[in-house]
Amino acid sequence: DAGITQSPRHKVTETGTPVTLRCHQTENHRYMYWYRQDPGHGLRLIHYSYGVKDTDKGEVSDGYSVSRSKTEDFLLTLESATSSQTSVYFCAISESKYEQYFGPGTRLTVT
Amino acid sequence: GEDVEQSLFLSVREGDSSVINCTYTDSSSTYLYWYKQEPGAGLQLLTYIFSNMDMKQDQRLTVLLNKKDKHLSLRIADTQTGDSAIYFCAVFSGGYQKVTFGTGTKLQVIP
Repeated sequence: DAGITQSPRHKVTETGTPVTLRCHQTENHRYMYWYRQDPGHGLRLIHYSYGVKDTDKGEVSDGYSVSRSKTEDFLLTLESATSSQTSVYFCAISESKYEQYFGPGTRLTVT
Repeated sequence: GEDVEQSLFLSVREGDSSVINCTYTDSSSTYLYWYKQEPGAGLQLLTYIFSNMDMKQDQRLTVLLNKKDKHLSLRIADTQTGDSAIYFCAVFSGGYQKVTFGTGTKLQVIP
């Protein structure tokens, strides 16, 4: 298995609070991604990174920001969590077009 | 942008063949993938096919690509209870390694 960890694995937070999710890789892959998974929507790309300090928006980026100060870490921040951001969040990494390796996911509940 | 569609649910009997279908909209799609997600886990790449291929076989898995109809299918021969999972179709159309995922098809295998 690719060396990808996500933390925390589960989190419950209140509306309006900031939340940061962490993705850590040991594979030295160039590309990193944050997705959210919701029933009926599959996986939707939130943000991605193509190098240290190089990031761009995906299709559902509103309300989210990211940072990548080191190759191995990609942080996803919800500045002020809302109930619509209750979801399962997956980090993925890749070095080629042929495969993305996924982390185990973080289940976030915003009450 | 790219749109990838799948039916949400498929039920088959153990030992039968399963066929999971996917349609996409971007005719310039170059790489097409099938991922498997088991309960509580991230996605794992099963197989992929290049757009210049019509078919790819890998043990019990057969991928068929109809470029004219923009239709991709995954056939699982001799389906086992361990094949019960959600299967995602995904398409790469260029850009910074960005992949669009379908909604996922939940495969239920009845013993």
